[in-house]
Amino acid sequence: DPKIIQKPKYLVAVTGSEKILICEQYLGHNAMYWYRQSAKKPLEFMFSYSYQKLMDNQTASSRFQPQSSKKNHLDLQITALKPDDSATYFCASSQDRDQAPLFGEGTRLSVL
Amino acid sequence: GDQVEQSPSALSLHEGTGSALRCNFTTTMRAVQWFQQNSRGSLINLFYLASGTKENGRLKSTFNSKESYSTLHIRDAQLEDSGTYFCAAERTGNYKYVFGAGTRLKVIA
Repeated sequence: DPKIIQKPKYLVAVTGSEKILICEQYLGHNAMYWYRQSAKKPLEFMFSYSYQKLMDNQTASSRFQPQSSKKNHLDLQITALKPDDSATYFCASSQDRDQAPLFGEGTRLSVL
Repeated sequence: GDQVEQSPSALSLHEGTGSALRCNFTTTMRAVQWFQQNSRGSLINLFYLASGTKENGRLKSTFNSKESYSTLHIRDAQLEDSGTYFCAAERTGNYKYVFGAGTRLKVIA
């Protein structure tokens, strides 16, 4: 059974719209992360959370907003979507920030 | 910014042979991870090292923080080893991982 659940697996959106990518982990981990992988760039770190607090933000655009309603949730809200936002977004978690993260299966976002 | 230079960018191996992948870092890194991304796009965690060498089956990884590099050795390659291998390094003190561009490995029968 997958321990890090990302929903949806595939997502198609129109330019200018808003979407929320869901991530839940059932590992009891305290740290959660978002990464992005696009055709143009290798994997990029986006955000890290520890105990539901934002610790690191390496995303320039404020259109990307992580949301942590529970300790084991870290959703990613993306507003004013652009075609360049098309990518696979991976959620990950680790017991604490100084340990290796495990990855979810990713959400493949296409913006038309 | 911090850079991770990964080589080679692509590699073909015959079944049963082996090779080494390498990542060079432009600054001091605290830890390194190696992942395999399989044909379905899933990221599989292979190793996490803060120093030294770890071995798991046919894979072995070394991290030399002082000389700013890490290697991943694959021996007795199997068809299922095909995929893209990424290293990711974390700079001392900032907990942010920077990824290499990946090595596309194809194992052929």
